[in-house]
Amino acid sequence: EPEVTQTPSHQVTQMGQEVILRCVPISNHLYFYWYRQILGQKVEFLVSFYNNEISEKSEIFDDQFSVERPDGSNFTLKIRSTKLEDSAMYFCATQGQDITQYFGPGTRLLVL
Amino acid sequence: GNSVTQMEGPVTLSEEAFLTINCTYTATGYPSLFWYVQYPGEGLQLLLKATKADDKGSNKGFEATYRKETTSFHLEKGSVQVSDSAVYFCALISITGGGNKLTFGTGTQLKVEL
Repeated sequence: EPEVTQTPSHQVTQMGQEVILRCVPISNHLYFYWYRQILGQKVEFLVSFYNNEISEKSEIFDDQFSVERPDGSNFTLKIRSTKLEDSAMYFCATQGQDITQYFGPGTRLLVL
Repeated sequence: GNSVTQMEGPVTLSEEAFLTINCTYTATGYPSLFWYVQYPGEGLQLLLKATKADDKGSNKGFEATYRKETTSFHLEKGSVQVSDSAVYFCALISITGGGNKLTFGTGTQLKVEL
């Protein structure tokens, strides 16, 4: 069964450093999403991406965040200058023709 | 805006007990409703969904019925197993009121003991 994959599974970084989280969507899916889950809290929407552009973003998704699909397969989330409060589990999700979103296993980001 | 309210956890049950996890929602338009499950150390997996009123989603012995009149989507299972121990998230998509993004509840942790 096709699945969404994410790398790395864990990332530890220093405050102020840039991180790039990567996602490989299910083949032929067209809609891509990033969500995050701060430890012990609910899963929160960050951004949606369709047709090579952002279709919607949340208040969390400020100028420090960016997304792109550089090579037609990977879908990346970049945080330019990480803050302590960016520590969370980041989930990529992709969607095909129906409404269901399929989630990757997540990247656990720890900012020190 | 859209919101989802779930019962607080953790819920602790004995194996073969009946499970209900309550979920109610507020949404503009006509949302689609989902239950996702997160097993320890893993990502979110779709458990079941319902896209219109009175639809019943079912999978792996779990069921939930989309009740528009009570704005609810309660998750039930007749006989839980230890392997059902996980965190369960109720979620919605309301395309007319918020694009395709999922709005999640806070999650309910289920612990099933022998």
